[in-house]
Amino acid sequence: GIQVEQSPPDLILQEGANSTLRCNFSDSVNNLQWFHQNPWGQLINLFYIPSGTKQNGRLSATTVATERYSLLYISSSQTTDSGVYFCAVGTNAGKSTFGDGTTLTVKP
Amino acid sequence: DVKVTQSSRYLVKRTGEKVFLECVQDMDHENMFWYRQDPGLGLRLIYFSYDVKMKEKGDIPEGYSVSREKKERFSLILESASTNQTSMYLCASRGGVGTYEQYFGPGTRLTVT
Repeated sequence: GIQVEQSPPDLILQEGANSTLRCNFSDSVNNLQWFHQNPWGQLINLFYIPSGTKQNGRLSATTVATERYSLLYISSSQTTDSGVYFCAVGTNAGKSTFGDGTTLTVKP
Repeated sequence: DVKVTQSSRYLVKRTGEKVFLECVQDMDHENMFWYRQDPGLGLRLIYFSYDVKMKEKGDIPEGYSVSREKKERFSLILESASTNQTSMYLCASRGGVGTYEQYFGPGTRLTVT
């Protein structure tokens, strides 16, 4: 099956700093999502981005499908950005494979 | 907005009990999924369903069964709960061909004592 690797596993930032999270995957995919898991455990959709670039406020994401990676950028980080960020990839077959996540801590 | 709801946020059951976890989505999605999340093991797929009465095993189906009698509802059943099934259970739904964005419910933290 597809292997998904996220880096770094842990990231600690001061409020206001910028960060880049990476997701590498081992095979061609036609769907890719980024999620943020909040402190209560719910996964919140950030981006559906099988290719290209998208932006939503302070967050943006880029997927280079031909090179099998995706990047999530967080600018001017806030304490509420803390949590675990997951990348999930999949194919038409229906199942998604999740990475192990990046745990982000933003300190005030 | 897509809404996926789960029947309980927290649940405590005893070993050997039969446990039902319910998931309902309101977007007429064909596909529904049950995952469990454990520290250090990430999200693992238990079962998924691509249509009413259809189901497929995921990566860790042992000890679980599922039911999908109506399109909007997907139930996860623990036939005889065991302590190693203490976990966070997450339900998700997704549309059909060409609509691959997955949406999650709030999760159920199940403790089996």
